[in-house]
Amino acid sequence: QKEVEQDPGPLSVPEGAIVSLNCTYSNSAFQYFMWYRQYSRKGPELLMYTYSSGNKEDGRFTAQVDKSSKYISLFIRDSQPSDSATYLCAMKAGTYKYIFGTGTRLKVLA
Amino acid sequence: KAGVTQTPRYLIKTRGQQVTLSCSPISGHRSVSWYQQTPGQGLQFLFEYFSETQRNKGNFPGRFSGRQFSNSRSEMNVSTLELGDSALYLCASSLEPLSSTDTQYFGPGTRLTVL
Repeated sequence: QKEVEQDPGPLSVPEGAIVSLNCTYSNSAFQYFMWYRQYSRKGPELLMYTYSSGNKEDGRFTAQVDKSSKYISLFIRDSQPSDSATYLCAMKAGTYKYIFGTGTRLKVLA
Repeated sequence: KAGVTQTPRYLIKTRGQQVTLSCSPISGHRSVSWYQQTPGQGLQFLFEYFSETQRNKGNFPGRFSGRQFSNSRSEMNVSTLELGDSALYLCASSLEPLSSTDTQYFGPGTRLTVL
């Protein structure tokens, strides 16, 4: 079993829809949770960084962490075609090691 | 402030050759990490350098090596290339080591194709 599981998609939604992206994990030591966006032929770009459980909002993006369920989510409101990309979750404990999900491909259709 | 830069962006090599990839971190960042990204395995940690010292290493064979210079620029070397080394190699930098709460920022990557 992988430490982090993420549905690869692709996930196709119409423009303006609310998108929900999710990851589950098995290591209860994870404390720091991140979401990255990666456009084709580019490096990952940090979108959200959260510590422990709860919600964090930044513009159209909301990151949610539920440590009791070992489940994290990224919500995108009013999705735009420019949001079409691969979204990677990442997490780490207090150590150096970042563990990444394999990414979910999102397509927002105009 | 300029982001993380990586050169070259694309490389084509043949089996058995060696390759050197370069990474320049964000100005002031002292930690540089290297990752291999493939469709099947996703992002996998190769190693981290901080202040010219390798601090951590992932589960890759000894053919993968790296170094960091006094200006924090880093190079990664892969010797005796294999077909399975074809991947996007990403460099990420941060102010503090990966063991801290600091976040890391990625470069655009070098796409290596081994024929």
